[in-house]
Amino acid sequence: QKEVEQNSGPLSVPEGAIASLNCTYSDRGSQSFFWYRQYSGKSPELIMSIYSNGDKEDGRFTAQLNKASQYVSLLIRDSQPSDSATYLCAIFFMGGTSYGKLTFGQGTILTVHP
Amino acid sequence: IAGITQAPTSQILAAGRRMTLRCTQDMRHNAMYWYRQDLGLGLRLIHYSNTAGTTGKGEVPDGYSVSRANTDDFPLTLASAVPSQTSVYFCASSENHPTGNNEQFFGPGTRLTVL
Repeated sequence: QKEVEQNSGPLSVPEGAIASLNCTYSDRGSQSFFWYRQYSGKSPELIMSIYSNGDKEDGRFTAQLNKASQYVSLLIRDSQPSDSATYLCAIFFMGGTSYGKLTFGQGTILTVHP
Repeated sequence: IAGITQAPTSQILAAGRRMTLRCTQDMRHNAMYWYRQDLGLGLRLIHYSNTAGTTGKGEVPDGYSVSRANTDDFPLTLASAVPSQTSVYFCASSENHPTGNNEQFFGPGTRLTVL
């Protein structure tokens, strides 16, 4: 089982709809959870961080974390064409290593069509 | 403007040549990282540094070396480039809190082609 898995996509939604991006992880000791947005040819940009169970809202973005189910999601409300990008889920785990390991999922390509 | 800069933006390199990718951050972050991103393989950690003067190996360190002489700079060197090192390279940094709640921020990337 991959350490971090994202819904395969690509995901296409109409403008104004809710886009739902999902991510599951295998390590129960994972501590921090992040969503990055990456436009084509650009670097990953951090858009959401979540550390405890529940929802965290920031503008049109809502991150949801359920540690018992090892599941983290990102909802984008009122999707805009400018939201079209690849979304990367990243999970941080300290464990017994000398560094905190940030593991990325493969990414989900989102297209918002007018 | 605070952030991470990388140089060069892109480079075409002959196999066997030595190449150093530069990375500088002005956020006074303790930790710095080098990733490579390849289609179908995602982002993979090459090397990291928790603080100035220390470095460590990530997931795919072979063929690469790093140094961390000061807080701001974290160069990545390919001693003898091979075509499999063709990739997009991202440098990142974070505050590196012991609690683990640290966010990594990425530089703009270097697109490297080894022929």
